[in-house]
Amino acid sequence: DGGITQSPKYLFRKEGQNVTLSCEQNLNHDAMYWYRQDPGQGLRLIYYSQIVNDFQKGDIAEGYSVSREKKESFPLTVTSAQKNPTAFYLCASSMGQYQPQHFGDGTRLSIL
Amino acid sequence: RKEVEQDPGPFNVPEGATVAFNCTYSNSASQSFFWYRQDCRKEPKLLMSVYSSGNEDGRFTAQLNRASQYISLLIRDSKLSDSATYLCVVNHNAGNMLTFGGGTRLMVKP
Repeated sequence: DGGITQSPKYLFRKEGQNVTLSCEQNLNHDAMYWYRQDPGQGLRLIYYSQIVNDFQKGDIAEGYSVSREKKESFPLTVTSAQKNPTAFYLCASSMGQYQPQHFGDGTRLSIL
Repeated sequence: RKEVEQDPGPFNVPEGATVAFNCTYSNSASQSFFWYRQDCRKEPKLLMSVYSSGNEDGRFTAQLNRASQYISLLIRDSKLSDSATYLCVVNHNAGNMLTFGGGTRLMVKP
């Protein structure tokens, strides 16, 4: 089945620790995105990538980093600089401009 | 003015009712419009695209009013399973980025 796979489903971070969230897609989509959603709030764009080896900051990139070495993969690292990382993280991909985005089932990150 | 604005609700309706949500957007150059559905603690899922001429999918009808810069979603014969948050999504002219509204919560009661 084609789709987007995020892992892990739940993740706990200790103070001062970097953690990496995985996102893999087999839809052959060029564009991939990371969003953050806080309880009762809308989605906010963290980073996006329209092509391999290229990515741009979204609205709330501080404290996060990404890489796009393969078309299928767009991992997100939540660094220790992100002081309030507790949220629901969603990865998405799309075929191209003006096309809808398709989401993975998300990772819930909490602070220990 | 927010780029994409929705009434957060909740809209509480009885089963079988017809309910409509509006969503306003600020960028007149916006090209693509979508409605997504998000269940509690789940990822958003595409409900339907919104076309200039309006479009229907079963009990759901979406319309676009470019002059007034809003899109609407009409749900007829509401089911309990329609209870969810409905997200209005607009793609601006620059790149593939989508801007999400904050969502409108619908609760369908027996």
